[in-house]
Amino acid sequence: NAGVTQTPKFRVLKTGQSMTLLCAQDMNHEYMYWYRQDPGMGLRLIHYSVGEGTTAKGEVPDGYNVSRLKKQNFLLGLESAAPSQTSVYFCASSRRDYHLEQYFGPGTRLTVT
Amino acid sequence: RKEVEQDPGPFNVPEGATVAFNCTYSNSASQSFFWYRQDCRKEPKLLMSVYSSGNEDGRFTAQLNRASQYISLLIRDSKLSDSATYLCAVNMRTGGFKTIFGAGTRLFVKA
Repeated sequence: NAGVTQTPKFRVLKTGQSMTLLCAQDMNHEYMYWYRQDPGMGLRLIHYSVGEGTTAKGEVPDGYNVSRLKKQNFLLGLESAAPSQTSVYFCASSRRDYHLEQYFGPGTRLTVT
Repeated sequence: RKEVEQDPGPFNVPEGATVAFNCTYSNSASQSFFWYRQDCRKEPKLLMSVYSSGNEDGRFTAQLNRASQYISLLIRDSKLSDSATYLCAVNMRTGGFKTIFGAGTRLFVKA
């Protein structure tokens, strides 16, 4: 089992560029999440999904879009990157009944210049 | 006031010491609680859940105090390998559900 994987691991964007972060899990988890982690701020939930074809906004959704076309994949899109989106992005997944027990991917370090 | 707060530390302790961290939460509707460990430049990993009756796993003990709205993590006989950041996670039902992570407490265990 690979668990939760994320691609890419690192990325540098210029302001205004777009990109998509891919998250995949092989644990058959129903729930998936996208977080960003900034120094002193902890993990902040961007968007989450409780099942295939369903997404919802988290705490800091502005500037991001997501899609969950397949149960095992959760995509995070930045349509027009801004320097304020420089961060480490973590994807996570969990079982429906144990959504506090989340399994995280290794993270994507994104720098927007 | 943040919904979940932790002392950022760092806590610097010698090997073999006992160290305790607290995590306070502001919403009394909080229902479940968990501790995660995060090594430098790595992802958070599950450490242990927190029950009202307390939860012990080897050298680690987690406890919940609902009256004072905090959870705690006690590490006994600290090892060098315990050096990490410890995050608390609080889950509350608000129509759907809402999970809030603390910003973490850094621990350095020194020889």
